[in-house]
Amino acid sequence: DSGVTQTPKHLITATGQRVTLRCSPRSGDLSVYWYQQSLDQGLQFLIQYYNGEERAKGNILERFSAQQFPDLHSELNLSSLELGDSALYFCASSLTSASYEQYFGPGTRLTVT
Amino acid sequence: GQNIDQPTEMTATEGAIVQINCTYQTSGFNGLFWYQQHAGEAPTFLSYNVLDGLEEKGRFSSFLSRSKGYSYLLLKELQMKDSASYLCAVRGDYKLSFGAGTTVTVRA
Repeated sequence: DSGVTQTPKHLITATGQRVTLRCSPRSGDLSVYWYQQSLDQGLQFLIQYYNGEERAKGNILERFSAQQFPDLHSELNLSSLELGDSALYFCASSLTSASYEQYFGPGTRLTVT
Repeated sequence: GQNIDQPTEMTATEGAIVQINCTYQTSGFNGLFWYQQHAGEAPTFLSYNVLDGLEEKGRFSSFLSRSKGYSYLLLKELQMKDSASYLCAVRGDYKLSFGAGTTVTVRA
């Protein structure tokens, strides 16, 4: 158990819908990262937050957005969902934005039908 | 950006040694990581190299050559539980870019 929690564990929804994935980092960690893992794309970095502010952006679609709240939990919002958005979404946390070790949560499996 | 290459699959026998190679091209380098991921589970951190040389941690060792853009992960005394995907990742600035992963199958 990494100490990072993610909810929900599974999510099934229809195309065009909007969903919110939630992540709570390890106690004391200030930085949160979101990743998408699909069968054909591997593990892709989406976005990073540090202490409430966006720090780095990867291959995140405009239909996706995220934020980190004052209590340091983070949410990833996915809208206008498409079949291709079906994937495992991982959240990871680290102590600081420069920490080399990231601890991954168990992931949320999103299925878009 | 980053371009990271590693073999797709490797098979080895229990008790043997396997070496997983990773080559990378990057516009910025702040460290190379190896993660282990069992199917359907989260990646778990194995090793980190930022300077050239070998880092040993129990049965796992990782090597880095920055001038060659090359790393390898060495798994010794293979056990059945080592059957998993091994991901090579490179950090540039604050972003961690992952290779597609090498699936290692350990046979009895």
